[in-house]
Amino acid sequence: NAGVTQTPKFRVLKTGQSMTLLCAQDMNHEYMYWYRQDPGMGLRLIHYSVGEGTTAKGEVPDGYNVSRLKKQNFLLGLESAAPSQTSVYFCASSSRGGGYVEQYFGPGTRLTVT
Amino acid sequence: EDKVVQSPLSLVVHEGDTVTLNCSYEVTNFRSLLWYKQEKKAPTFLFMLTSSGIEKKSGRLSSILDKKELFSILNITATQTGDSAVYLCAVGVGGNTGKLIFGQGTTLQVKP
Repeated sequence: NAGVTQTPKFRVLKTGQSMTLLCAQDMNHEYMYWYRQDPGMGLRLIHYSVGEGTTAKGEVPDGYNVSRLKKQNFLLGLESAAPSQTSVYFCASSSRGGGYVEQYFGPGTRLTVT
Repeated sequence: EDKVVQSPLSLVVHEGDTVTLNCSYEVTNFRSLLWYKQEKKAPTFLFMLTSSGIEKKSGRLSSILDKKELFSILNITATQTGDSAVYLCAVGVGGNTGKLIFGQGTTLQVKP
């Protein structure tokens, strides 16, 4: 099993450009999450999904959109990139909610916006 | 507002030392406390604690939770250079979201 994979691994964008980050998991997990990680700030939740066809906002959703058309995939979109979105993005998945289950993380995407 | 605070933010020790990492939390609807290790890439799961006073151990790593005082500690004994990483603490919240609330992380560097 590959677990959680992310595409691409690195990307450089110019301000105003758009892009989509792809997350895929092969563990048949219902729940999926997008985080960003900035120095000194830990992991902050951007958006999440509790099942195919559902999405919800996390702690820092502004400037991002997501879609969960297939259970195994969770896409994160930046419509008009800004330098403040320079960060490392992690996708994660879990089998259920309720607060008693760990999340499994992908390897991350390092995004730089100039 | 829910928050998870880790201390210290960074730590430098020598091989063989014992370290204690701290995590305190103020979270409504607390369900569990999780520790992750992050070496350059994806965080990897270490422990989940749900009950006060019960220690979880894995080799040289151990962790305990105090739900009355709202904190957890992660101990690493006989540290090795391979223990160098960022250690993340997170709180699992109740409800259907599956959300975790993360602390800032503690960066541990173990020198030979």
